[in-house]
Amino acid sequence: DAKTTQPPSMDCAEGRAANLPCNHSTISGNEYVYWYRQIHSQGPQYIIHGLKNNETNEMASLIITEDRKSSTLILPHATLRDTAVYYCIVRGPNTGNQFYFGTGTSLTVIP
Amino acid sequence: KAGVTQTPRYLIKTRGQQVTLSCSPISGHRSVSWYQQTPGQGLQFLFEYFSETQRNKGNFPGRFSGRQFSNSRSEMNVSTLELGDSALYLCASSRPSGSGSTDTQYFGPGTRLTVL
Repeated sequence: DAKTTQPPSMDCAEGRAANLPCNHSTISGNEYVYWYRQIHSQGPQYIIHGLKNNETNEMASLIITEDRKSSTLILPHATLRDTAVYYCIVRGPNTGNQFYFGTGTSLTVIP
Repeated sequence: KAGVTQTPRYLIKTRGQQVTLSCSPISGHRSVSWYQQTPGQGLQFLFEYFSETQRNKGNFPGRFSGRQFSNSRSEMNVSTLELGDSALYLCASSRPSGSGSTDTQYFGPGTRLTVL
């Protein structure tokens, strides 16, 4: 079962940073936060994951609060191709190390 | 490196029939997971295979089954199809490490099954 809460939808202007929040207040110490996105009817695409430190890769940055109860995915310069549903997933031994997808956030990048 | 491939991409069946879907993982990946995605239920985990053995199973009826071959390719089968089985079926592969929590899964494009 999904252990995360995300806003159902967000808009972002093209070229601006998109900040997608996620609440995971019941996360355990050995559970990771993963982010995937899904462009309409395609397979989900891996973006980034982290345990407690902030992470950055070529696609995005992941900011995890010190108490680990929430996180934010940051797309630094959103483009129209970033329009997608973004899923925040908590994953660890308590969930059989499986990915349980919630309803995600539908991000629309506006020209 | 080639990604996860799934065949066929689209399939139309009628109620009561059975169907077999195929998934070829990324080279070197030994774990394959299957998911069902419907508008009403979202993305739901079906099962995971590793080294030809089912390692985890979601909450689906026994009509849904799968297997994995020695080359890590996997198939899933749905018997006695129902209208509600119409969905996008996704396969994901990963390279298992010592800690399962950090095995990133990479998804294929999916098979769109329509049951009439």
